[in-house]
Amino acid sequence: DVKVTQSSRYLVKRTGEKVFLECVQDMDHENMFWYRQDPGLGLRLIYFSYDVKMKEKGDIPEGYSVSREKKERFSLILESASTNQTSMYLCASSLRYWRLESNTGELFFGEGSRLTVL
Amino acid sequence: GQQVMQIPQYQHVQEGEDFTTYCNSSTTLSNIQWYKQRPGGHPVFLIQLVKSGEVKKQKRLTFQFGEAKKNSSLHITATQTTDVGTYFCAGHQGAQKLVFGQGTRLTINP
Repeated sequence: DVKVTQSSRYLVKRTGEKVFLECVQDMDHENMFWYRQDPGLGLRLIYFSYDVKMKEKGDIPEGYSVSREKKERFSLILESASTNQTSMYLCASSLRYWRLESNTGELFFGEGSRLTVL
Repeated sequence: GQQVMQIPQYQHVQEGEDFTTYCNSSTTLSNIQWYKQRPGGHPVFLIQLVKSGEVKKQKRLTFQFGEAKKNSSLHITATQTTDVGTYFCAGHQGAQKLVFGQGTRLTINP
């Protein structure tokens, strides 16, 4: 089974702190994603990466950066946390070549990291 | 960019009643995926539809993809308490980026 592990389930940080959210997957997936989930807004894509050292902005990248130094690891960084970044953060991974008949490109999610910024 | 809208946002039903959630895109989708998130859990993949007009069934769940590939629906027949959760649709924008709808939260009165 695919396993996507997020480093922290719950974090409490103060405004202005630098925050690192780590995500590791064990299925050799090319694609990795960071979403944030807020009530009534669904899952909004922050950044994604389709290869090592490659990254692309999602729909809400402002205030965030990412790092993908190794294929299995994708980090989300909040350079200076703000209260409006209080949210549930979900990491996901998928195969890149989803158009092949052997896979659907489905996303496998981690358990989530609930971040509170005071 | 591509917008994926999902309605209703909330739905409360009596156990045994049917439930439907609808997904609409501002652009033609190459595919549509559906996910279920149980309370306190993370989204889990249910199914993918690719072909225009495609209909797929999983026991009491019926998934449809519109002829124009811009809309989709998920219908649950005779809901059970195990169906509680939030259902999300998602479509690919480009080859790799998956855009989600806002989700429909289903609650059930036993």
